[in-house]
This record gives sequence, C-alpha cells and structure tokens, in this order.
Amino acid sequence: DAKTTQPNSMESNEEEPVHLPCNHSTISGTDYIHWYRQLPSQGPEYVIHGLTSNVNNRMASLAIAEDRKSSTLILHRATLRDAAVYYCILTFYGGATNKLIFGTGTLLAVQP
Amino acid sequence: AAGVIQSPRHLIKEKRETATLKCYPIPRHDTVYWYQQGPGQDPQFLISFYEKMQSDKGSIPDRFSAQQFSDYHSELNMSSLELGDSALYFCASSLGSRPEAFFGQGTRLTVV
Repeated sequence: DAKTTQPNSMESNEEEPVHLPCNHSTISGTDYIHWYRQLPSQGPEYVIHGLTSNVNNRMASLAIAEDRKSSTLILHRATLRDAAVYYCILTFYGGATNKLIFGTGTLLAVQP
Repeated sequence: AAGVIQSPRHLIKEKRETATLKCYPIPRHDTVYWYQQGPGQDPQFLISFYEKMQSDKGSIPDRFSAQQFSDYHSELNMSSLELGDSALYFCASSLGSRPEAFFGQGTRLTVV
C-alpha cells in the first residue's frame, strides 16, 4: 500500500480557512485519495475523496496536485467542531473493497 | 438516516474469555469492515467482507474470527482474550467498492 505523510499537528483560528497537506509521492495511477477525520471518542468519518480532479462537497474541498504526488484538504471556515485527527489515505481503485490503512494523521486544533 | 449500529457499546471481559461483537450495516450496504484502535493509536484494519465472503484480511490475530450473515450483519468473535485486546473496535460499511465508508460508534472492549 502506498504511504502518505502528514504533519503531526496544525492549529487554526475559528472561522478561518485551513489547508491540511498530504504527501503521497509513491501514489499509483489506480489509487484514490481519501480523507477521513476522527473526532474525540467517535468513529472515523468520511470527509472527501478524489482520483485526479479537484473535488468539492458540503464539508470540504480536495485539491490534488497535477502529478498527484500531493494533495490538500481545505476546510473553508474552521469551526470548533472541526477539531479532530485528519487522515489522508490511499486506496486501490477497482478492488472489490476499499480497506483503509490509517497512518498517523494530523491533529487539528481550532482556537476560538 | 440510518447509521452503522454496533453492539454492545461497552464490554468487559476477563482474560481467556470469549467475546462477540456485532455490527449492523447501513441498509443496502453489502460490505463490512472491522478495525481495531488501541489506546492512543490509529485504527488498524482487521478484516472485511463483501456479499458474505471474506474480501480482505489485515492484522487480525488467529484467535479472532469473523463472518457476514445473509442479512449482511457481521460478527467478530474473539477467543482467549488477552489484556492487549483492550481497544475500541469499529465496524464500517459501504456499498460495494464505493469509496465512502461509514463507521459505527464502536465497541469499547476492556479485558481485565
């Protein structure tokens, strides 16, 4: 499984945008880029995924570099409820299932 | 909307006992994943099922077994419990190989 590298922690202020980076230099052409987050005492929560093009949904945006070796999760206006561990995960596109191999993730702190 | 249901939410067992954890996926979801999250650690993939067949296997001990039933619910059976098995156990479900997986609230297993 291709690996990802994320900063251990980041801080943001409430109502400001947050850019969470992820490096995946060994990504293959058949790997999806997923982002999940885990709030304290809860199960992981799907945030967004993409393959090649940038993606937007109600929670966040995903910006994927042209060479796909890195990506950035963008939270447009951070709230206190966005404080969580954010995981960037690669999964094989086209498999029967999509197991998630969690790395260390980025602990996001949001200050009021 | 219906979510993934796990039972029980909390379980306390003694060493060498057995435990059974249950997972009820979101209606129409045919794929189930099991993850283990030790204290202060990231979730680790254990095993997955698609259409009642095992589809992938991770770092699941031989003392553990799992299956998916005809109604798509899944059970994780754990025997000869050890202190190190104390963890949060998450179940997730998805529709086929769709990238979005939805997690339950987890079962907290404490082995004493």
